[in-house]
Amino acid sequence: EPEVTQTPSHQVTQMGQEVILRCVPISNHLYFYWYRQILGQKVEFLVSFYNNEISEKSEIFDDQFSVERPDGSNFTLKIRSTKLEDSAMYFCASSLGNTIYFGEGSWLTVV
Amino acid sequence: AQKVTQAQTEISVVEKEDVTLDCVYETRDTTYYLFWYKQPPSGELVFLIRRNSFDEQNEISGRYSWNFQKSTSSFNFTITASQVVDSAVYFCALSEAGTGNQFYFGTGTSLTVIP
Repeated sequence: EPEVTQTPSHQVTQMGQEVILRCVPISNHLYFYWYRQILGQKVEFLVSFYNNEISEKSEIFDDQFSVERPDGSNFTLKIRSTKLEDSAMYFCASSLGNTIYFGEGSWLTVV
Repeated sequence: AQKVTQAQTEISVVEKEDVTLDCVYETRDTTYYLFWYKQPPSGELVFLIRRNSFDEQNEISGRYSWNFQKSTSSFNFTITASQVVDSAVYFCALSEAGTGNQFYFGTGTSLTVIP
């Protein structure tokens, strides 16, 4: 069964460093997303991406964040200068219609 | 305002008991979708079910059943004869047709099934 894959599964980074989280969405899907879940809290929307541009973003998705689909298969989330509060599980997701399928998540720990 | 409310933060049941997880949603859209996802201790989000706003028929899938009631804006999830493997955090979510497929998640209900 097709699935969304994410790398790395876990990354530890120093505050102020740049981080890139990578995702390979399901191949025929058209909508791509990043969500974030701080430990013990609910899943929060960051950004949605369609037709090679951001279609919607939340207040969390400030100038420190960016997304890219560089080669037609990968979908990346970049955090330019990480802060301690960026520590969370980051979920990539994709959809064709109205059901979103999530990857297994990338744990980001900022120290 | 919360679009999805899961009032039960934590529930513990003994194995083989039935358990119902509550979900109340809020939307002005006439077209919307409701979902349940399971998040086991390993952390991934597993899709369980999707209902659209025009289909209030209840659904049963094995030990799982869902009760969608537009009159009370609720989409409750029942696990019959619970098992230890059901222990997880369960998230209810709402997607509105008018907001570009963005999902709004509830805060989750942590279910512990005691053997």
